Amino acid sequence: SAVISQKPSRDICQRGTSLTIQCQVDSQVTMMFWYRQQPGQSLTLIATANQGSEATYESGFVIDKFPISRPNLTFSTLTVSNMSPEDSSIYLCSVAGGQETQYFGPGTRLLVL
Amino acid sequence: ELKVEQNPLFLSMQEGKNYTIYCNYSTTSDRLYWYRQDPGKSLESLFVLLSNGAVKQEGRLMASLDTKARLSTLHITAAVHDLSATYFCAVLTQGGSEKLVFGKGMKLTVNP
Repeated sequence: SAVISQKPSRDICQRGTSLTIQCQVDSQVTMMFWYRQQPGQSLTLIATANQGSEATYESGFVIDKFPISRPNLTFSTLTVSNMSPEDSSIYLCSVAGGQETQYFGPGTRLLVL
Repeated sequence: ELKVEQNPLFLSMQEGKNYTIYCNYSTTSDRLYWYRQDPGKSLESLFVLLSNGAVKQEGRLMASLDTKARLSTLHITAAVHDLSATYFCAVLTQGGSEKLVFGKGMKLTVNP
């Protein structure tokens, strides 16, 4: 199984600012995923990040708003740019564990005022 | 586009009772996941179902998959308070870029 850590675990931010979330995995993985979970809602995939290539964004999510870096096989960052209160969510990174399952990090709880 | 529906979305049940919850999905897939989420926590993997007819059991929970009916069930046996949580099913898309599509989740409350 993969052990995933995220920083920060939570933050309160002012509208108009940006926050970068870090995701670290204890093993090398090809694909990393970023999800958003709005309050009381299910998970929505933001983008898939492969090392060495541009992230692939899902419908409704754009690179200017959610830029992603994937500098190596164990690390990725997601930036939430020009935040508004509607961005208040839990952001989770995830990695695929082969046929076993997809593992999720502990999440970053973001509140935008 | 793959859609995943869970039924029911909210369930309140008494300890000791049994219940089955359902997860339907709209397009072909041969991989389905069940996750548990406690309030304020991340997702904990419960089951991965990889083929038609797959059945897995862990404690008081048993999950099954019928790929022909595009249906998975999660059966709760003799519920206990500790099972109170939100349960998500997620289905892996097939063809092209594979990704997980989640249902809305079912919030389970088990009352003493």
